[in-house]
Amino acid sequence: ETGVTQTPRHLVMGMTNKKSLKCEQHLGHNAMYWYKQSAKKPLELMFVYNFKEQTENNSVPSRFSPECPNSSHLFLHLHTLQPEDSALYLCASSRGQGEEETQYFGPGTRLLVL
Amino acid sequence: AQSVSQHNHHVILSEAASLELGCNYSYGGTVNLFWYVQYPGQHLQLLLKYFSGDPLVKGIKGFEAEFIKSKFSFNLRKPSVQWSDTAEYFCAVTRGNNRLAFGKGNQVVVIP
Repeated sequence: ETGVTQTPRHLVMGMTNKKSLKCEQHLGHNAMYWYKQSAKKPLELMFVYNFKEQTENNSVPSRFSPECPNSSHLFLHLHTLQPEDSALYLCASSRGQGEEETQYFGPGTRLLVL
Repeated sequence: AQSVSQHNHHVILSEAASLELGCNYSYGGTVNLFWYVQYPGQHLQLLLKYFSGDPLVKGIKGFEAEFIKSKFSFNLRKPSVQWSDTAEYFCAVTRGNNRLAFGKGNQVVVIP
């Protein structure tokens, strides 16, 4: 247990559905991240938030829409996804965005798009 | 383009054998280096990290890694593995910011 929780742990959705992934950190951190882990590919950074402000969007398609209402919560809203979006979505947090900050990861949400 | 290379994606070895996992990166300049581990059914967690100082870094569970700047490498080692070391191991790099670039990972299976 790292202090970063994610719900749901598993999600199956159709291409026309709308769903949301939730991440919550109990570490008092100020920076939060979404990563995508696809089979046979490296973990890819998607979004970065610092003090609720988005500081990075790594060329992610608009069908993924992040939301960070406060420093403890991060959402990833999903709509009209494609089968190739099936992956493990990981949330992480760190105290700040300094280069020596360690990121702590949640358990991930395993997403299957049919 | 970002590039962190990990070779030998699948590694199978017996208990008490020595383990070495290679990690090479293609960035110039100052880098920070990490090894993360993901045990079966668990979250990704930090094994060890290098920012500066002694290039030989000691981590948890008897792991160590050596930063060799001239070779752009940060190889992970453990002299004698246990069954509980069965996991996936990821090398990651940051360059002056906190944006982690990961390798594809090494799936390590230790046979009792």
